[in-house]
Amino acid sequence: GAVVSQHPSRVICKSGTSVKIECRSLDFQATTMFWYRQFPKQSLMLMATSNEGSKATYEQGVEKDKFLINHASLTLSTLTVTSAHPEDSSFYICSARGLGLAGGNEQFFGPGTRLTVL
Amino acid sequence: AQSVTQLDSQVPVFEEAPVELRCNYSSSVSVYLFWYVQYPNQGLQLLLKYLSGSTLVKGINGFEAEFNKSQTSFHLRKPSVHISDTAEYFCAVLHGSSNTGKLIFGQGTTLQVKP
Repeated sequence: GAVVSQHPSRVICKSGTSVKIECRSLDFQATTMFWYRQFPKQSLMLMATSNEGSKATYEQGVEKDKFLINHASLTLSTLTVTSAHPEDSSFYICSARGLGLAGGNEQFFGPGTRLTVL
Repeated sequence: AQSVTQLDSQVPVFEEAPVELRCNYSSSVSVYLFWYVQYPNQGLQLLLKYLSGSTLVKGINGFEAEFNKSQTSFHLRKPSVHISDTAEYFCAVLHGSSNTGKLIFGQGTTLQVKP
């Protein structure tokens, strides 16, 4: 149980285009979802926290107009990278937390999405 | 503010040898600590967590960690490593309450198991 999926696993796009990444909790209801960014050989940096039905809370330094997050249902959150540029190339990982699951204190991570902007 | 420091960026070790990956945290409130493993191009998998109770926590794949409040440490250990343990390991502390907080990650430690 507690499986989180991401789609796509890998995407290559041209500079200036927008890319949408989906994060789904497959067997539980995710009241909170997190989006992280990871550069090569580095740690995970939290970008934003989203609760179902409300606006995402962005970390300091993360442009909310560039990284649009939607958490419209208890099983789906999306991250849209708008007008992507080469510096947005990174590994994006989502995680989800559900009430009553593992005491509500554990995050379950998706497999990640590798974004390459040409 | 809570933070996590992983003291070693890389730890090379021979197969079947013991290993310890070090993690120190700073926190002024109740501490919830986690160790995750990340294999190449994959997400994170929980190895173990400390919430309360016994300071020695056993996790999956033969790993264990000991919470030491006086030394503010949560080192990860395994008595005998396998080649398949080669991966990136992250220590994390939960910032905030147990069911609403967010994870703060350390810089990561690359465990390289050699034959």
